[in-house]
Amino acid sequence: NAGVTQTPKFQVLKTGQSMTLQCAQDMNHNSMYWYRQDPGMGLRLIYYSASEGTTDKGEVPNGYNVSRLNKREFSLRLESAAPSQTSVYFCASSEGGGIYGYTFGSGTRLTVV
Amino acid sequence: GNSVTQMEGPVTLSEEAFLTINCTYTATGYPSLFWYVQYPGEGLQLLLKATKADDKGSNKGFEATYRKETTSFHLEKGSVQVSDSAVYFCALSSNDYKLSFGAGTTVTVRA
Repeated sequence: NAGVTQTPKFQVLKTGQSMTLQCAQDMNHNSMYWYRQDPGMGLRLIYYSASEGTTDKGEVPNGYNVSRLNKREFSLRLESAAPSQTSVYFCASSEGGGIYGYTFGSGTRLTVV
Repeated sequence: GNSVTQMEGPVTLSEEAFLTINCTYTATGYPSLFWYVQYPGEGLQLLLKATKADDKGSNKGFEATYRKETTSFHLEKGSVQVSDSAVYFCALSSNDYKLSFGAGTTVTVRA
């Protein structure tokens, strides 16, 4: 029972490089989310997908793009990485929205130098 | 908009001590309230939740009661163990697709 799987677990990028963070869930959940976690700031929502085929901006979308590839997969892309994007990124999924609670992946620790 | 304020840490306790982490919220409508726990190097796990006023959520010895009159959802445990060392997040959802999280409280329990 894998739940939410994120890859990679760790990544170091140089400023200006691009990369895609992958996320997949096997619980048949409708909604998926990308958060970033920074010290003292809790979790901030980057983008979310309420259902397959839809995506919406969260609190901190600048510098990111997302793709809801199918019901299982939701990827996050950094087109031109900046040091301010150094963070831990979490993907989450939910049966139908926040009121049901989320299942989280184990995170991707990204460092941009 | 929705917001969650939780007590700042870090909190350091001895084993078998009583733990309280305060959480208050601002929200439109009637939110659902959650506590999540994050162990070192891991993602967040749902600890407990409450969906309406006066509900009590409980799990693993932790409890929290949804108090609408004081807009609070304080987390308590009567006797902590070293294994309870983690970061605890209060969160709410107000009938939309998103959860709003507090900043997190780091708890360290010493043997």
